[in-house]
Amino acid sequence: EAQVTQNPRYLITVTGKKLTVTCSQNMNHEYMSWYRQDPGLGLRQIYYSMNVEVTDKGDVPEGYKVSRKEKRNFPLILESPSPNQTSLYFCASRGGLADYNEQFFGPGTRLTVL
Amino acid sequence: AQKVTQAQTEISVVEKEDVTLDCVYETRDTTYYLFWYKQPPSGELVFLIRRNSFDEQNEISGRYSWNFQKSTSSFNFTITASQVVDSAVYFCALSESQGAQKLVFGQGTRLTINP
Repeated sequence: EAQVTQNPRYLITVTGKKLTVTCSQNMNHEYMSWYRQDPGLGLRQIYYSMNVEVTDKGDVPEGYKVSRKEKRNFPLILESPSPNQTSLYFCASRGGLADYNEQFFGPGTRLTVL
Repeated sequence: AQKVTQAQTEISVVEKEDVTLDCVYETRDTTYYLFWYKQPPSGELVFLIRRNSFDEQNEISGRYSWNFQKSTSSFNFTITASQVVDSAVYFCALSESQGAQKLVFGQGTRLTINP
């Protein structure tokens, strides 16, 4: 089944404790992206990647890191999480680089930073 | 700059009523793409439709229909004869063609269908 998977689905952590949210897709997509969803703000892009070793900032990259060492994986790293990073996070992938292609979203990771 | 506005934060209707979700967008591009996604209570995002800026034909899919009007920069979504299973948060999104490489989402509209 074609899908985007994220782990963990739920995470409660404390300020300053480094964490990684994994994202993997099995559709051989070049493009992958991370979004965060906050009430009243919709989804906002954090980082995206056009291919292996090619990443770029989205609209809200502060406090986050990403890497793209393999085509299928695009982990999101919070080196020193803070309470304002409490949010619902979505990973997405898209076949091809054209903007008109739909993005497939993972199931979401709900992160709480105390 | 690109922007999507969904002015209706929450809508509540009784089952079988028709309901329209509004979406207004801003972009300087002449080529762009509009999307609707559904987020049911389980939380995942489900793709509903994509429309490019050169195709102003309205689209109907079962009880769902979409009205795209470039003159008013709107891409509204209507559910006819609503059902409880339509209860969800609905997002409108915009993608520009010039390599912005992102979807710009509206704030979302929470739709509740009451039995």
